[in-house]
Amino acid sequence: EVQLVESGGGLVQPGGSLRLSCAASGFTLSNYWMHWVRQAPGKGLVWVSRTNSDGSSTTYADSVKGRFTISRDNAKNTLYLQMNSLRAEDTAVYYCVSTGAARGRFDIWGQGTMVTVSS
Amino acid sequence: DIQMTQSPSSLSASIGDRVTITCRASQSISSYLNWYQQKPGKAPKVLISAASSLQSGVPSTFSGSGSGTDFTLTISSLQPEDFATYYCQQSYSIPYTFGQGTKLEIK
Repeated sequence: EVQLVESGGGLVQPGGSLRLSCAASGFTLSNYWMHWVRQAPGKGLVWVSRTNSDGSSTTYADSVKGRFTISRDNAKNTLYLQMNSLRAEDTAVYYCVSTGAARGRFDIWGQGTMVTVSS
Repeated sequence: DIQMTQSPSSLSASIGDRVTITCRASQSISSYLNWYQQKPGKAPKVLISAASSLQSGVPSTFSGSGSGTDFTLTISSLQPEDFATYYCQQSYSIPYTFGQGTKLEIK
């Protein structure tokens, strides 16, 4: 079965750090560009970051630039999101998502992991 | 950034109804427009890509149209499992942006 499984979410204080992981199974991660998309409680979907298939190119939303880092370990079939200097407004469910042949079409979604930033 | 505006924000309809959701982009995005369905507590699922291409496994009651700045998602005959929130998303340029969502509820 093709799936993405996120982990690493939790409660963290403002200014803290967290590292999310996304493990792929049933397909080879190295063939795909990968993204993180987040959704604050009761709100809509917001694109956060992307990386190309080998990790040599990364892009970020302005709201997280300089604080978040996307990376991947294709040998481990795993995507990461290192989140530093966390703010209350970063509270959200974080989804890892793959895009395939069609540009920017979010094909495979993980189940999401909740990040809560609160004191 | 390209702004995506959906209307309506919410919609009440009955089983068997035909419903249309519109999505407008703040600039031309050609046909780089995707539609997603999200049910409570679940990840979104892609329904339509490239404005009108139905994804595998998606019922033919769903259809999409449009190009440039104006797009529509139509459900020709609502089924119980269609009650959900729908999002449009532009894949023309980074940052990829979504509409604010349309919540489809049972009347």
